[in-house]
Amino acid sequence: EPEVTQTPSHQVTQMGQEVILRCVPISNHLYFYWYRQILGQKVEFLVSFYNNEISEKSEIFDDQFSVERPDGSNFTLKIRSTKLEDSAMYFCASKDSSNQPQHFGDGTRLSIL
Amino acid sequence: RKEVEQDPGPFNVPEGATVAFNCTYSNSASQSFFWYRQDCRKEPKLLMSVYSSGNEDGRFTAQLNRASQYISLLIRDSKLSDSATYLCGRGAGSYQLTFGKGTKLSVIP
Repeated sequence: EPEVTQTPSHQVTQMGQEVILRCVPISNHLYFYWYRQILGQKVEFLVSFYNNEISEKSEIFDDQFSVERPDGSNFTLKIRSTKLEDSAMYFCASKDSSNQPQHFGDGTRLSIL
Repeated sequence: RKEVEQDPGPFNVPEGATVAFNCTYSNSASQSFFWYRQDCRKEPKLLMSVYSSGNEDGRFTAQLNRASQYISLLIRDSKLSDSATYLCGRGAGSYQLTFGKGTKLSVIP
């Protein structure tokens, strides 16, 4: 069964540094998403991406964050000037059409020191 | 304003029991609903979509009640492997999924 894959599985970074989280969505999917989950809290939406542009973003997704689809397979989340409170699990998700469910990758655990 | 609410539990049930969770939502324009399960420190995994007519997949039955704005998940003949957190997700077209905080289920031998 096709899967959403994410790398790295765990990223440890010093506060203030930039990180790039990578995702390869399922190949025929058109809609892409990033979510985060702080330990012990609920899964929170960050951003959705369709047709090579952001279609929706949350209040969390401020100027510190950006997304990119640099080629036909990768979907990246960049976090600039990381803060301690950016420590969380970051999940990528994708789906093939608007009313279908989203399928999640196994996440990247981001630890900011 | 909480858009999706769930009883956090935990629900502790013996093997073989039937257990039901509800999830209420506040946005009546919502179109799509889903149940996901999440194991500790893992990704949400789709369990099933939820339809107004109700749908069943083996031991799992999901129901949507638009008039009362809730969805439900029924698990029959609980297995130890059913122990997880169950997330209710509300979606609208291509946009985000809004999740509840999840209901934790522990199935006890």
